[in-house]
This record gives sequence, C-alpha cells and structure tokens, in this order.
Amino acid sequence: DAKTTQPPSMDCAEGRAANLPCNHSTISGNEYVYWYRQIHSQGPQYIIHGLKNNETNEMASLIITEDRKSSTLILPHATLRDTAVYYCIVHGGTSYGKLTFGQGTILTVHP
Amino acid sequence: NAGVTQTPKFRILKIGQSMTLQCAQDMNHNYMYWYRQDPGMGLKLIYYSVGAGITDKGEVPNGYNVSRSTTEDFPLRLELAAPSQTSVYFCASSYNAQIGQGYTFGSGTRLTVV
Repeated sequence: DAKTTQPPSMDCAEGRAANLPCNHSTISGNEYVYWYRQIHSQGPQYIIHGLKNNETNEMASLIITEDRKSSTLILPHATLRDTAVYYCIVHGGTSYGKLTFGQGTILTVHP
Repeated sequence: NAGVTQTPKFRILKIGQSMTLQCAQDMNHNYMYWYRQDPGMGLKLIYYSVGAGITDKGEVPNGYNVSRSTTEDFPLRLELAAPSQTSVYFCASSYNAQIGQGYTFGSGTRLTVV
C-alpha cells in the first residue's frame, strides 16, 4: 500500500469546517483512500473512502485531487466531539485488507 | 447487532503468564484482524484471518498465536507475557477486505504486563 503523510496536529473552532489534508503521492490506480478516526483510545471508526471522485456521507466529505496524489477530509461543522486522531490510509490491490495506520493527525476542536 | 465484541476490557498479567484475548463478531464477516497500539502510536497488525481455518502473520506477530475455528471468533493467545506486550489490543472485521468496505473495530483490551 502507498504511504501517506499527514500533519501531526491541527486546531479548529467549534462550528467551523475542519479540513484535514493527506498526501499520498505514490498511490496506484487500484488503491482507495480511506479515513478513520480514533476518539480517546476507543477503537478506530470508519469515516469515508473514495477512489477518484469526491465523496460525501453523513459524517464528512472527501475531496481527492485529479492526479490522486492528495486528498482532504472535510468535517463541515466541527463539534467538540470531533476531537480525535484522524488517520488517512491508502489501501487496495493485493494487501487483502491489512490496513496500515500511520501517526495520523490530532484534531482539537476548541469552543 | 453487537458488532465486534472484545473481552476482557482490562487485564494485568505477570511476566511469564499466559492469556487469551477474545474477539467475536456477529456480522458474518469473513476477514478478521488483530492490531496493537502502543501509547502515542498508530496501530500495528499482529495477525489476520481471511476465513475459518486460515490465518496469517501481520507486521508484529512474535509472542502471539491465533486460531480461527469459526467465522465468528478470532482469539489471540499470549503464551509467555513480556513487558513489551503492554499495549491496547484491537480486533477488527470486514466483509470484503479488498476494496470498498469499511472495517468495524472492537472497543479494545488494555493489557498491562508487570
């Protein structure tokens, strides 16, 4: 699986949009971009995934650049409960489901 | 629908003791995984299974063993506990492991070896 690079930490004001970037310049054509988050040592929670088109669900939006070398997770109206570690993972091909977690981005939402 | 259930939630072991971490899922998922997470670090894959009777090593398998006799259960065995195995252990499952399916994680087992 391709390696990802994320900023170690970010801050966001409550009610504002949180935009979390991820670089994955070595991504291959059959690899998806996944986002998970982990709140205070709970089990990671799946947020969203995409291949090349932008995706939106009830939790977030995922914007993938046209060359697929980077992506942005958007939490449109961040709340205090969104404070967590966010992991960007590139996965697919022959790795048979073995997610590789990096250090992630610690997002802190302030009142 | 319980999802992925891990037991126990907490455990303290003495060096050299053995224990089994239990993991069960009720979603009829074929793929199951064990991860460990050390303080301030990301998750590392210990073992995984693609179906009943089939298991394989992940990134950090030393000191652990697994079995998968049923689709639902995927226990992780520690034979001779060492302080280096102090960690939080997460079990996960998925239906289709290759593409397009999110993983469901359990709430974790916090293990301390003293």
